[in-house]
Amino acid sequence: KAGVTQTPRYLIKTRGQQVTLSCSPISGHRSVSWYQQTPGQGLQFLFEYFSETQRNKGNFPGRFSGRQFSNSRSEMNVSTLELGDSALYLCASSQEWGGTEAFFGQGTRLTVV
Amino acid sequence: AQSVAQPEDQVNVAEGNPLTVKCTYSVSGNPYLFWYVQYPNRGLQFLLKYITGDNLVKGSYGFEAEFNKSQTSFHLKKPSALVSDSALYFCAVRPLYGGSQGNLIFGKGTKLSVKP
Repeated sequence: KAGVTQTPRYLIKTRGQQVTLSCSPISGHRSVSWYQQTPGQGLQFLFEYFSETQRNKGNFPGRFSGRQFSNSRSEMNVSTLELGDSALYLCASSQEWGGTEAFFGQGTRLTVV
Repeated sequence: AQSVAQPEDQVNVAEGNPLTVKCTYSVSGNPYLFWYVQYPNRGLQFLLKYITGDNLVKGSYGFEAEFNKSQTSFHLKKPSALVSDSALYFCAVRPLYGGSQGNLIFGKGTKLSVKP
């Protein structure tokens, strides 16, 4: 059974640009969550999607957005990139919303220059 | 505010010795509790979870964790550490009530270093 797949693994963007990250959950999983990991703030919750609906949102500015497709794949978008957006972005999938296990992908390392 | 605390930034142990990585939480109700491990430039790997039942939970790679409701703690343990256990360990909780249900709240992480 394939795990959670995140693409791309690495990205370098310039301030002011926008970026889209992709996450394919484990087959059969319908919930996808996104987290930002930085050395200073640690792991912070961005948002969670279940059945194409955003169920929960963390404390991030509106520049961070996401969506989920009918096949449960999810994308997150960051517009008007700032240097502080440089981070490892992790996606996790669960069978159901608020499930008892979340399985993480390898992450996308975003560097903003 | 709901939070998870890992009081030690780093834990150093000798190979073959027991190890403990501490975690306490401040979350209302009876949340789900988790431990994850992260190797350099990798995602998080699930180690174990506590949902309900026996306070001692066994997980992957010989790790176990002890849930203590009165102390709101969920310490990670292993009887005999290996050099390959060296990594970053995260404790996480999933609240079951309130606005944060559905997402994981993580501690800051504890770097475990096992020396030969």
